[in-house]
Amino acid sequence: NAGVTQTPKFRVLKTGQSMTLLCAQDMNHEYMYWYRQDPGMGLRLIHYSVGEGTTAKGEVPDGYNVSRLKKQNFLLGLESAAPSQTSVYFCASSYSQGRYEQYFGPGTRLTVT
Amino acid sequence: RKEVEQDPGPFNVPEGATVAFNCTYSNSASQSFFWYRQDCRKEPKLLMSVYSSGNEDGRFTAQLNRASQYISLLIRDSKLSDSATYLCVVNGGTGGFKTIFGAGTRLFVKA
Repeated sequence: NAGVTQTPKFRVLKTGQSMTLLCAQDMNHEYMYWYRQDPGMGLRLIHYSVGEGTTAKGEVPDGYNVSRLKKQNFLLGLESAAPSQTSVYFCASSYSQGRYEQYFGPGTRLTVT
Repeated sequence: RKEVEQDPGPFNVPEGATVAFNCTYSNSASQSFFWYRQDCRKEPKLLMSVYSSGNEDGRFTAQLNRASQYISLLIRDSKLSDSATYLCVVNGGTGGFKTIFGAGTRLFVKA
């Protein structure tokens, strides 16, 4: 039981490049989330999904796209990376929202130069 | 004003000390509350939920004060291994999906 896994763990991009971050969970959770964490800002929700085939915008969705074609996977795409997207990205999943615990992946450290 | 505010610290305490953190929230309709722990360069993990009546888990006690809109975390007999960042999480309220993470309070426990 791996929980929530993320790939890659580290990445350096140049401005304008694109990439996809992959999140996978093996807990059969309906809800999945993508957050970014910046110093002094706390975790901010980028996009989330309440089930296979559904996605919704969070607090800071601009510059990102997501897809949830399979229940266990949640992909985060950066179409044209900008230095402002330098951050640590965490994926999380939960059984439902509200009073249910969110389980986090180990994070992806992204630097955009 | 931020929706969830925490003192960033750091709190530097000796082993065996008692330390307390507060977290204030602005949305009076918030429904559920949590404390997560995040070690340096690691992912957040649930420490404990916060119940209206207050709850205790070993050396950790969490309390909710709805009237003043804050939650607290008390750590007794601090251990070196308690050194981490403690994130306050507030969930619920009007306007659909709403889980807000505080920026965290850093704790260093020294020998």
